[in-house]
Amino acid sequence: AQKITQTQPGMFVQEKEAVTLDCTYDTSDQSYGLFWYKQPSSGEMIFLIYQGSYDEQNATEGRYSLNFQKARKSANLVISASQLGDSAMYFCAMREGAHFGNEKLTFGTGTRLTIIP
Amino acid sequence: GAVVSQHPSRVICKSGTSVKIECRSLDFQATTMFWYRQFPKQSLMLMATSNEGSKATYEQGVEKDKFLINHASLTLSTLTVTSAHPEDSSFYICSARALRVGGTDTQYFGPGTRLTVL
Repeated sequence: AQKITQTQPGMFVQEKEAVTLDCTYDTSDQSYGLFWYKQPSSGEMIFLIYQGSYDEQNATEGRYSLNFQKARKSANLVISASQLGDSAMYFCAMREGAHFGNEKLTFGTGTRLTIIP
Repeated sequence: GAVVSQHPSRVICKSGTSVKIECRSLDFQATTMFWYRQFPKQSLMLMATSNEGSKATYEQGVEKDKFLINHASLTLSTLTVTSAHPEDSSFYICSARALRVGGTDTQYFGPGTRLTVL
């Protein structure tokens, strides 16, 4: 079974609208972390936001917020007021385990977001 | 903060030659760095975990004799693709582990290296 599932291979959104990118995960660990990264056409992976499994509040970083629904095992990324520069691939990733040193990330297949002017 | 650089950004080489890719953490020390491979339109696949001063841990299916990893200092890890062949052509990207404000362990990525083997 896939550990990270991103069901939207591509999305087109009008500029200034909000957009939600879906991510569901599968783990039996109680302690885990969820990440979102942005990969523009240049290729670098840009860290956007992090949510810990024990965090009670949804994470927010500027225009990015993470809609964390633990019971449903979903960690959707919400981008408010989208901009043309938001056009990129977006990857959801998970780190399992609570032990220091177990930092491997498992990535989803990504969603290509295109912002339309 | 937490800037990671990679060199070179692009490399084209002939089949059979070896290529070295450097990954540096510029403003922090990284005891652990990671090497990923990404094929076009696909996700990142972890190749190996590089720990300073010790042998790298390779993921299943990754040939350790072909992809040599050396983490000689707290700011530098190198990946050497030995006897490269066209099927090794890919985008190689490294990351370094750092603590964010608040104590969250986060991986910060380099800009990647596009390897083309002719």
